[in-house]
Amino acid sequence: QVQLQESGPGLVKPSQTLSLTCTVSGGSISSNNYYWSWIRQHPGKGLEWIGYIYYSGSTYYNPSLKSRVTISVDTSKNQFSLKLSSVTAADTAVYYCARDPAKPHGYFDYWGQGTLVTVSS
Amino acid sequence: DIQMTQSPSTLSASVGDRVTITCRASQSISSWLAWYQQKPGKAPKLLIYKASSLESGVPSRFSGSGSGSEFTLTISSLQPDDFATYYCQQYNSYSWTFGQGTKVEIK
Repeated sequence: QVQLQESGPGLVKPSQTLSLTCTVSGGSISSNNYYWSWIRQHPGKGLEWIGYIYYSGSTYYNPSLKSRVTISVDTSKNQFSLKLSSVTAADTAVYYCARDPAKPHGYFDYWGQGTLVTVSS
Repeated sequence: DIQMTQSPSTLSASVGDRVTITCRASQSISSWLAWYQQKPGKAPKLLIYKASSLESGVPSRFSGSGSGSEFTLTISSLQPDDFATYYCQQYNSYSWTFGQGTKVEIK
């Protein structure tokens, strides 16, 4: 059974960089059958897809966040990571990592439990 | 971006009711649509993908239909565990986008 677990600081100061890691267990992040995404949910609101990474390192980001987002993968640790720079209060949200079946890709069959990140001084 | 609009935003129903939620896309997305269920404090759970394919382990009372720009999620007989918020999501074209959600409440 695949499990995903987000980790990282729950509080980030404005203008700093939000950094989160997703650890995948029960399966290999290097499988060519999956993409790996970050999705966020503002408090009491809907879901926003942030971007994905493939095990090879190829990425695609939501254009609305592209200038501030970097997603990377560490296959040796079975992890992928999110960095979001220059954060503001508008980036306060629950951040989820999720698995995306590759054929075809674009939906999410396994999710982490989510981690709340608050942007505040 | 493709906009996804769900209706209604809130739905009040009783156990045993047949419930239908509608999701409309701002342009055709073929059948590239997924449905998720989310309970408070939990991650979304995949119910349906490719508009009508039931995810493994999901009860058969859930079904999806539609293509193009109009889709429905039907719960044939609402159970106590089904009171939750439901989201549709398109994956026809980047950026993948979600509907605003439909909350199914106890009547």
